[in-house]
Amino acid sequence: AQSVTQLGSHVSVSEGALVLLRCNYSSSVPPYLFWYVQYPNQGLQLLLKYTSAATLVKGINGFEAEFKKSETSFHLTKPSAHMSDAAEYFCAVRPAGGNTPLVFGKGTRLSVIA
Amino acid sequence: DSGVTQTPKHLITATGQRVTLRCSPRSGDLSVYWYQQSLDQGLQFLIQYYNGEERAKGNILERFSAQQFPDLHSELNLSSLELGDSALYFCASSVGASVGGTQYFGPGTRLTVL
Repeated sequence: AQSVTQLGSHVSVSEGALVLLRCNYSSSVPPYLFWYVQYPNQGLQLLLKYTSAATLVKGINGFEAEFKKSETSFHLTKPSAHMSDAAEYFCAVRPAGGNTPLVFGKGTRLSVIA
Repeated sequence: DSGVTQTPKHLITATGQRVTLRCSPRSGDLSVYWYQQSLDQGLQFLIQYYNGEERAKGNILERFSAQQFPDLHSELNLSSLELGDSALYFCASSVGASVGGTQYFGPGTRLTVL
């Protein structure tokens, strides 16, 4: 079975500072990994996904994530936070094969302070 | 705007009642997914339909049912509602049948059971 752990339900950074949102996964087979963002009163939007190609994945809005198999991690980063990045971020996992649904983490709320 | 539409946006009803949530996928997408998002359970996959057929099932209660119509829109029916069913219900769509394919989320329906 797959599972996702997002460390920190709430992260607060200053505008212009590095954003680091942590995600660790558990999977018995090679995983596909995803980061989604949810802005207030909206649905989820795909930021980026890892599907066993390059381990460093670049997404929209300047975000990127690195797949580290040895650490079973897929942390999301952005060099410089903008006020508009304030949102809820979800990490999700599914096995590379088969038809198993996405398993989402509990989410991390990012606050950006001016 | 993801191209996925959901109606209604808000729904307030009483315990024991039945409601129907509606979802229209993006143009060209054949798969529709339903998710429930609550504070205690997080984002939970309920069910997937592909081109009118049930494709995958998650943590969907027996009181809940869904279907996908020939025009590809989908409805989620919730009956004998309980206070604990209060949540945000999201619909997502994707082109193919694979559950792990890129999913585009609608804005959600907020259900409040009083």
